[in-house]
Amino acid sequence: DVKVTQSSRYLVKRTGEKVFLECVQDMDHENMFWYRQDPGLGLRLIYFSYDVKMKEKGDIPEGYSVSREKKERFSLILESASTNQTSMYLCANQGVNQPQHFGDGTRLSIL
Amino acid sequence: QKEVEQNSGPLSVPEGAIASLNCTYSDRGSQSFFWYRQYSGKSPELIMFIYSNGDKEDGRFTAQLNKASQYVSLLIRDSQPSDSATYLCAAFTGGGNKLTFGTGTQLKVEL
Repeated sequence: DVKVTQSSRYLVKRTGEKVFLECVQDMDHENMFWYRQDPGLGLRLIYFSYDVKMKEKGDIPEGYSVSREKKERFSLILESASTNQTSMYLCANQGVNQPQHFGDGTRLSIL
Repeated sequence: QKEVEQNSGPLSVPEGAIASLNCTYSDRGSQSFFWYRQYSGKSPELIMFIYSNGDKEDGRFTAQLNKASQYVSLLIRDSQPSDSATYLCAAFTGGGNKLTFGTGTQLKVEL
């Protein structure tokens, strides 16, 4: 089974903090993705990566950055957390022409 | 026009009935389609995929694809309360490897 592991299920941070969300895959897939999901808005793509050290902006990259130093790890960074970044964050991986598989998600609250 | 569209619901069906979930897509070049199930507070889980016109059955689930009408559906036979969830339709769009998700249909199976 494909395994995508997100480091935290729940996280509470304060406004202005720098926040790191970690995602690790156990498959050798090139493609990894970060989404946020909010009620009524569906999945919104923040950033994705097709290879090590490669990143592409998704639909809502503002306020976020990513890091992909190793193939198995894709990190999402909130440079200066704000309350409007309170959300469920989902990491996914994907093989070529294959469906995406998601981690369990991180419910992030910014106070 | 959104690339992948679903009625948000909720769709309510009685236990034991057939639930029919629908999805339309705008990219005529899309070839691969996926259905994910998402329980409240959980991450999406892949349950079906379909690449060819017609029906594909897996247990109580049947995916249907009509490329001429740009229409994908998911039928759930003998619906159970445990089927109550949000169902996300997804398709590869833009001629590449980008998976686009609909906003999901909430299904409620009532006793």
